[in-house]
Parts: sequence; C-alpha cells; structure tokens
Amino acid sequence: AQSVTQLGSHVSVSEGALVLLRCNYSSSVPPYLFWYVQYPNQGLQLLLKYTTGATLVKGINGFEAEFKKSETSFHLTKPSAHMSDAAEYFCAVKGEYGNKLVFGAGTILRVKS
Amino acid sequence: DAGITQSPRHKVTETGTPVTLRCHQTENHRYMYWYRQDPGHGLRLIHYSYGVKDTDKGEVSDGYSVSRSKTEDFLLTLESATSSQTSVYFCAISIAQGSGNTIYFGEGSWLTVV
Repeated sequence: AQSVTQLGSHVSVSEGALVLLRCNYSSSVPPYLFWYVQYPNQGLQLLLKYTTGATLVKGINGFEAEFKKSETSFHLTKPSAHMSDAAEYFCAVKGEYGNKLVFGAGTILRVKS
Repeated sequence: DAGITQSPRHKVTETGTPVTLRCHQTENHRYMYWYRQDPGHGLRLIHYSYGVKDTDKGEVSDGYSVSRSKTEDFLLTLESATSSQTSVYFCAISIAQGSGNTIYFGEGSWLTVV
C-alpha cells in the first residue's frame, strides 16, 4: 500500500525566492513518484516524475525534485518563483507495477510580488 | 493533450436524482480512472477500469457505479445523488511511456447536488 503526506497546505513565497514544497511517501514496493500542478478551474498537469535511474528529476517550468529513498521524500523545488507559479501542487505515488495513483492532500502555492 | 473529454463539464442536480458523467478517450488506452477532488483530501480514486467490462473499486466507491462497454468510454453513475457527492470529478487514463506508466487527467466535471 502507498500513502503520501504533503507538509503544509499553504506555502507563500516572494517572487524570485526559492520554492520548496515537501512530500513524503510510504510505499511497500519501489515507488514511482509524481508531481502535478493544478491552476484554478483546470485539470491536473504533470510537472515531473521519478521512475528509476537518476534521483534528481527535472520537469517543466523550471521545477525539479529529488528522490531520497533514505528519507522517503520527493520534495519539489524551483530556484526562483514567478507569479505564474501560483497554483495547487499535488504529490502522488504508485507502486512500480501498479496502475493506481495515491495523492497527497495538495499544497497551495502563493507568490507575492 | 492526452485526448480525454469529460461531459458534462458542469452540472447542478437535485438530491436523489441519478447522474451520469462520461469520459471519452480518443486512443485505445487500457486503464481509465475516476477520481474526485475535495479540499483537504487531494484526489481520491472512486473506480477504475482495466479493460472493457473490467472494473474495480477504489477507496471511495460507495454510492457510485461505473461501466465500460467500449474501450473509449468510461461512465460514472451516481445512482441517487447526495450533497456529499458535490465535488469535482476527474477522469484519467494511463499511458505507457518509457519506464512505467504515467496517468493523465481530463479537465474535470463540476457537480453540485442541491
């Protein structure tokens, strides 16, 4: 079974500041990990994913995430926040051979000018 | 664009009435899903399908049924809608890409039960 915990339901950063959204997972099998972004009144868009191989994964819009097995974490970062990054972000996990995603509760990112 | 179309996109219905949401995909992907999104809960799986007439329950399946008579269509039915089923419903498909599958989502269906 899998589960995901996103620390902080709301995160606020200033434009140009570092963005750090935290995600910890639990999985009884090797995990596949995902970050999705949702803009208001829209569907979910895939930001990036980790399956196997390199633990630092780069995604769209300048975001990246690092898989740390020892910490069971998959935190999302972006060096410099932009106003257009304001959205809700979801971390999700599935088993290596599974086909069902389990989501965290989401983190709303606010970017202040 | 994963080629997913949901209908209707918005619906208001009365308590006790049946409601059917439709998900249509333009390609023959095997796995299809229905999730609901509620504040503080993220997305939770209602039902999923792994082929025509092959479906299974997710974590919040009570009060919902599904059908898949064609590969491209996955229907979600609320037999007798309740206010607790007011939510945003997302259909998704699983697409094989490189190492492993990736799940892509439709644009959502906003359902209000009054």
